[in-house]
Amino acid sequence: DAGVIQSPRHEVTEMGQEVTLRCKPISGHDYLFWYRQTMMRGLELLIYFNNNVPIDDSGMPEDRFSAKMPNASFSTLKIQPSEPRDSAVYFCASRRTALGGEQFFGPGTRLTVL
Amino acid sequence: QKEVEQDPGPLSVPEGAIVSLNCTYSNSAFQYFMWYRQYSRKGPELLMYTYSSGNKEDGRFTAQVDKSSKYISLFIRDSQPSDSATYLCAMINAGGTSYGKLTFGQGTILTVHP
Repeated sequence: DAGVIQSPRHEVTEMGQEVTLRCKPISGHDYLFWYRQTMMRGLELLIYFNNNVPIDDSGMPEDRFSAKMPNASFSTLKIQPSEPRDSAVYFCASRRTALGGEQFFGPGTRLTVL
Repeated sequence: QKEVEQDPGPLSVPEGAIVSLNCTYSNSAFQYFMWYRQYSRKGPELLMYTYSSGNKEDGRFTAQVDKSSKYISLFIRDSQPSDSATYLCAMINAGGTSYGKLTFGQGTILTVHP
């Protein structure tokens, strides 16, 4: 298996622009997670899905952020409009089961908003 | 107050030293405990995973869980320069509306110098 795939790996955009991050989880994994990592705040959970259904989006910072999972093999995280404080590394991760088991992370998308 | 508190570090130790990394948590629903290692510009990777209170050993690494005190530790013996990375404790919620949610500590940056 290729692991969790994220695109793009790097994104530089200007404030106010829409940003879309993409993730393909490992096949057969029922859980998908979106995290954001910064030096100041560490690794924060934004939202997670079970069988394509959002379970907990309490970590989504504000209405500018939205996430979808239209099918078991694809998810998007959208920021509209983007702001400089959104600059961070965004990780997607997937896991096969609810409890136990390894959660696999993608390589991350490094987002810079100017 | 955060659900998971991790000793922030950073830690700098000489090669061969014993390293102790620690986390405390407040949510009794946390039942599965993990340590992840993250190298610079990479996603986190699972290092150790445990469920029960007590010790679990894997080579130079020992994970310790004390559920009564809500405290977990990771010990690294005979530390090597290749152990230099950020270490993150993580816990899975096994109850309530956040079933399956994996929450991370802030992370501790470890540097092992030759």
